[in-house]
Amino acid sequence: DAGITQSPRHKVTETGTPVTLRCHQTENHRYMYWYRQDPGHGLRLIHYSYGVKDTDKGEVSDGYSVSRSKTEDFLLTLESATSSQTSVYFCAISEVTTYEQYFGPGTRLTVT
Amino acid sequence: QQQVKQSPQSLIVQKGGISIINCAYENTAFDYFPWYQQFPGKGPALLIAIRPDVSEKKEGRFTISFNKSAKQFSLHIMDSQPGDSATYFCAASKNAGNMLTFGGGTRLMVKP
Repeated sequence: DAGITQSPRHKVTETGTPVTLRCHQTENHRYMYWYRQDPGHGLRLIHYSYGVKDTDKGEVSDGYSVSRSKTEDFLLTLESATSSQTSVYFCAISEVTTYEQYFGPGTRLTVT
Repeated sequence: QQQVKQSPQSLIVQKGGISIINCAYENTAFDYFPWYQQFPGKGPALLIAIRPDVSEKKEGRFTISFNKSAKQFSLHIMDSQPGDSATYFCAASKNAGNMLTFGGGTRLMVKP
């Protein structure tokens, strides 16, 4: 998985609780992305980062926030989890000069 | 609005046969078209990709055919093997470092 780790790999949480997912890369790539995967929808972009402290919204950003304080770490936070945020979350990385994106192993999140 | 439409949703092929998955896109600004392969419990892995300046790209048993005028591209898997059984996603992007827009995915089963 291209030097990308995600933690936790599985999490069950209750509606209304805050949740933070972590993506860590060892490739020193500048761009990092958070996608969610749901049946029939493929993967959809939540937020992305084009550098330390530089982030922007994606297609499905409502209810999510992100932070990037170091090149290697990109955090995704659900401020108050809802059942509609039950999904598999994938982190991806790429370099600014290339199109290729490489994905991490994913985090399966269940909100009850 | 789904900008990349993928078909079929599922596909069953006999060992040794040809698997064909199709995608159609709407945004003419897209200039990068990758295919990803995903096994259960794993992240998507980049399989093969094409830019619109060529009509075909082949890597081993995998071939992308690209039709710019029809805004369509397809993945052909020759001599399909049981180990190819996975979910395949097409995607599209414009500009390096930009988000990927994914199709809904195709679950391929290759029967021995």
